[in-house]
Amino acid sequence: GQQVMQIPQYQHVQEGEDFTTYCNSSTTLSNIQWYKQRPGGHPVFLIQLVKSGEVKKQKRLTFQFGEAKKNSSLHITATQTTDVGTYFCAVRAGKSTFGDGTTLTVKP
Amino acid sequence: DSGVTQTPKHLITATGQRVTLRCSPRSGDLSVYWYQQSLDQGLQFLIQYYNGEERAKGNILERFSAQQFPDLHSELNLSSLELGDSALYFCASSRGPETDTQYFGPGTRLTVL
Repeated sequence: GQQVMQIPQYQHVQEGEDFTTYCNSSTTLSNIQWYKQRPGGHPVFLIQLVKSGEVKKQKRLTFQFGEAKKNSSLHITATQTTDVGTYFCAVRAGKSTFGDGTTLTVKP
Repeated sequence: DSGVTQTPKHLITATGQRVTLRCSPRSGDLSVYWYQQSLDQGLQFLIQYYNGEERAKGNILERFSAQQFPDLHSELNLSSLELGDSALYFCASSRGPETDTQYFGPGTRLTVL
């Protein structure tokens, strides 16, 4: 099945700094989804990307799907303490495959 | 609230025992997924059912089994439990079988002593 590698595993930032997490695959992906899991919570769907080069924005969050559809990124501008949590990318193609996640901590 | 319910919320049991976790999907969703999340680990996909039929299988141990009933609720059975089975078990549901958004339940925390 398709595998996705997510980096970094952890990211500590000062409030107001930017944050980016990357999701990479060795194979072409049909789609990619992003989820956020708050500490003690369950994963919550953020967005799905399906087109090559697609860019979507949700307020301070920017999601990109690479031109070759082998990588994706999530960028948060000017982080806030409410952004803390683990961000997962996921691939849906037969099996459901989640990356290992990037855990973001934000220092006020 | 995602609309997906899971029971029980917590479960403490001993090695060698058998437990059943229950999941009710969102109204109208036909797919149910089961995931295992160990401490500080990612989400390991176990199995997916769509409209009562097994749709996809992940790294589910032979000691584990699942089913989806005609009313679309699902149960995950874990038997001959080992210490390493202690984890958070999430159920998720989606409308269709493939690329739809997954809505996760609050999870069942299983502790094996």
